[in-house]
Amino acid sequence: DAGITQSPRHKVTETGTPVTLRCHQTENHRYMYWYRQDPGHGLRLIHYSYGVKDTDKGEVSDGYSVSRSKTEDFLLTLESATSSQTSVYFCAIGGYSNQPQHFGDGTRLSIL
Amino acid sequence: DAKTTQPPSMDCAEGRAANLPCNHSTISGNEYVYWYRQIHSQGPQYIIHGLKNNETNEMASLIITEDRKSSTLILPHATLRDTAVYYCIVRVLGDDKIIFGKGTRLHILP
Repeated sequence: DAGITQSPRHKVTETGTPVTLRCHQTENHRYMYWYRQDPGHGLRLIHYSYGVKDTDKGEVSDGYSVSRSKTEDFLLTLESATSSQTSVYFCAIGGYSNQPQHFGDGTRLSIL
Repeated sequence: DAKTTQPPSMDCAEGRAANLPCNHSTISGNEYVYWYRQIHSQGPQYIIHGLKNNETNEMASLIITEDRKSSTLILPHATLRDTAVYYCIVRVLGDDKIIFGKGTRLHILP
């Protein structure tokens, strides 16, 4: 298995609170990604990073910010969580050239 | 939008080969075909990918038609642990992003 650790694995919080999810990799991959998965929508890309301090938006980036201060960590922040952000969040690494992305086990986030 | 079409669900008897089809009729010359699967509550798992030649690894075989408009993922001896949603994805070489469609829910029957 690819060396990807997502934390926390589960979180319940209230609307309006800030939330940060962490993705940690031990594979030294340049590329890292954050997806969310919802029933009826499949996996959708939120943000991705192509190097330290280099990030870009995906298709559903509104309400989310990311940071990558070192190769191994990619943080996803919900500045003021809303109920519509209740979802399962997956981190992925790799994907350079034709190489596949590899996914973490996900974080289940519930916003009440 | 996803560039692939897959049947929403399929059944396969345990021990038999599972053949999962995928249509990608608008694929272009620099697009690869990737297959992933997602077992309930887990992250998507990479299976195999190819450009135009057939590919085989320890998990599966990928058969791509000569015109590249369709492909088939073959699990040679399906087990109950192969029950999952299987995603067929086309991706341009060098593109940072992959787009997941709805996939095929494969049920392995004992």
